[in-house]
Parts: sequence; structure tokens; C-alpha cells
Amino acid sequence: GDSVTQTEGLVTVTEGLPVMLNCTYQTAYSDVAFFWYVQYLNEAPKLLLRSSTDNKRTEHQGFHATLHKSSSSFHLQKSSVQLSDSALYYCALRASSSFSKLVFGQGTSLSVVP
Amino acid sequence: GGIITQTPKFLIGQEGQKLTLKCQQNFNHDTMYWYRQDSGKGLRLIYYSITENDLQKGDLSEGYDASREKKSSFSLTVTSAQKNEMAVFLCASSPKGNERLFFGHGTKLSVL
Repeated sequence: GDSVTQTEGLVTVTEGLPVMLNCTYQTAYSDVAFFWYVQYLNEAPKLLLRSSTDNKRTEHQGFHATLHKSSSSFHLQKSSVQLSDSALYYCALRASSSFSKLVFGQGTSLSVVP
Repeated sequence: GGIITQTPKFLIGQEGQKLTLKCQQNFNHDTMYWYRQDSGKGLRLIYYSITENDLQKGDLSEGYDASREKKSSFSLTVTSAQKNEMAVFLCASSPKGNERLFFGHGTKLSVL
């Protein structure tokens, strides 16, 4: 079946420095879409980014991600993190086998420190 | 805009008890979902419903029942609460043909 792997449970970064949150996936389908959801403390998860185009950079709120089908990855990056970026980040995959169903990774908690 | 309301916010149960969680959405979305959130395990799909009266099992459906009473509401029942179980249950909805999920704030379950 489809799977999404986020290897880091916790990432701690100093304010102003860059960050990359890893996301890799496995699927047998070529028609796929990928998402990053963010959950701030005591809030509901919400969509941050979406992409279904290979090698195309997608940006939102200073974050960006590029789908690389050759390496089965959709890493999330930001060039300069802020304290307010501290949150739980989930990578998710939608494969063509089921349009309605998203498969989520384990989540990465980003902690930005002064 | 719309909102997803989950009740209760906190639920404390006893081992073996049947517990029901409720979710209401006023987006007029067709599809609704129940996910379980555990630290280190991500969000795992329990049940989803593509339209009123439809029910589809997710990867974690064992031990749960669900009911889509009407388009705006989707309930989840823990059929027999497990001792020391602790998790957050998230309800979500999405428009037909759209993958974007809108989540509620969750129900936090603790079983004594």
C-alpha cells in the first residue's frame, strides 16, 4: 500500500536559520498529489502546501517544497525560520487509487529557538 | 467560511465502555473523515464517508463504528475502550472532488 515517511520526530532550529523537513513516499501509482499540513499548538491542522507536478516548486507563507518523483521525495524548506513557525508538520500523499483518501506521515515537530 | 465542531473536547472513559464522539460541519462538504492522532504515528484514517449514508473503512477501523447521520454530521463510536488508551481524534471534511481537508480541533480521549 501507499506510505509516507517522515524520519525526524523533532527538529530544533535557531531563529533566522534555514530548515528542511524530510518527506519520502512509496506508491505504485503515477497519478499522485502531495501535501504539507501544519498544526500549531491547540489548533486544528491546516493545509500549507500542495503539489502534483514533478520538479515544480510550490511556495506558501515563506515555505516551499518540490516534488521529485525520481527520488520519491517532497521535502519542506524555509530559508529563514521564525519563532512562530514552531508547530507540528505532516506530509501527506493522495494516490489515484482513492481520490478521497490521504495517507499521512508520522509528523515532524519543529521547534524554533531564539 | 465554515467551521467543524467536535464534541466533546475531552472524553474520559472506563475500560470496556462504549464511547461516542460527534462532529458537525457547516461547510456543506460531501466527504467527512475520522482520523486518530498519536504522537510518533501521525494521522491514521479510521473511517470516511463520501456522502450521506455512505461509510468506508480506513486502515484503523477495527474497534470503531461510524455513522453519517446526515450530510453535516459524522459520529464515531469506540466500541470498547482500552485501558490506558490515550489519543486525539480528529474529524475533517472536504468538498466533492477536492483533496483539501478542513479539520476540527479534536476530541482528546483518556481511558482509566
